[in-house]
Amino acid sequence: GAVVSQHPSWVICKSGTSVKIECRSLDFQATTMFWYRQFPKQSLMLMATSNEGSKATYEQGVEKDKFLINHASLTLSTLTVTSAHPEDSSFYICSARVVSGYTFGSGTRLTVV
Amino acid sequence: GENVEQHPSTLSVQEGDSAVIKCTYSDSASNYFPWYKQELGKGPQLIIDIRSNVGEKKDQRIAVTLNKTAKHFSLHITETQPEDSAVYFCAAPSGGTYKYIFGTGTRLKVLA
Repeated sequence: GAVVSQHPSWVICKSGTSVKIECRSLDFQATTMFWYRQFPKQSLMLMATSNEGSKATYEQGVEKDKFLINHASLTLSTLTVTSAHPEDSSFYICSARVVSGYTFGSGTRLTVV
Repeated sequence: GENVEQHPSTLSVQEGDSAVIKCTYSDSASNYFPWYKQELGKGPQLIIDIRSNVGEKKDQRIAVTLNKTAKHFSLHITETQPEDSAVYFCAAPSGGTYKYIFGTGTRLKVLA
C-alpha cells in the first residue's frame, strides 16, 4: 500500500534552534499532505494542510512563521520548527491522502532542551 | 464544523473478551469513518473504515458499525489478544473537506 516515510523519527535540539522534519510519499504522488501535532496521551491536532506548489493552509492558532511548511514537489513536504522552545516538544506526524483514505508517517518526536 | 466524541478513554479487557469503542459525530453530511490504531511512539495505522452507505463492515476480528440516524459508529474487537493493546482513534471528515477531526482516543489494554 501507499507509504509515507517520515524523518527523523526523533530529534533533540537546543532552544532557539530550528528543526526540519521531512515526509516523503513512496510510490505515489501526494498533492496534499497534512501535519499533525500530538501531545502525550492526547489526540492528533491538525496544524496545517500542505499543498504542492502553493502556500500551506494553517489551522487557527498555529503560527505560520514558526511552523514553516514547504511542499515543493509531489513527493516531499517539510515542516520546519523555527526558534524552537521547550513548549514545542511534541510528537509531529504527517499524513497524505490516498484512494483508500489517509496514510500516516511514523512520526517525529521532538524534544527541545 | 465536525465534532467527534470518543468513549471510553481507557478500556481494560481480559484476553479473549470483546472490546467496544464508540464515537459520535455532529455533521450529518459526514460519509466516511475510519478507525486508527496507534502503538507507542508510532504513527496511526488504519485498521478499518466504513462509508455511510453501509451499516456494518467486518474484517476478521475487527468490525465497525454505523448508525447514521443516531450519528455514531463503533469499533468492535472480538477475541482480543495482548497485541491489540494500543490507543485507538476514530475520525470523521470536517465540513465535507479533506480535513479529519480525530476522537480523543481510547487506550485499550488487553490483560493476559
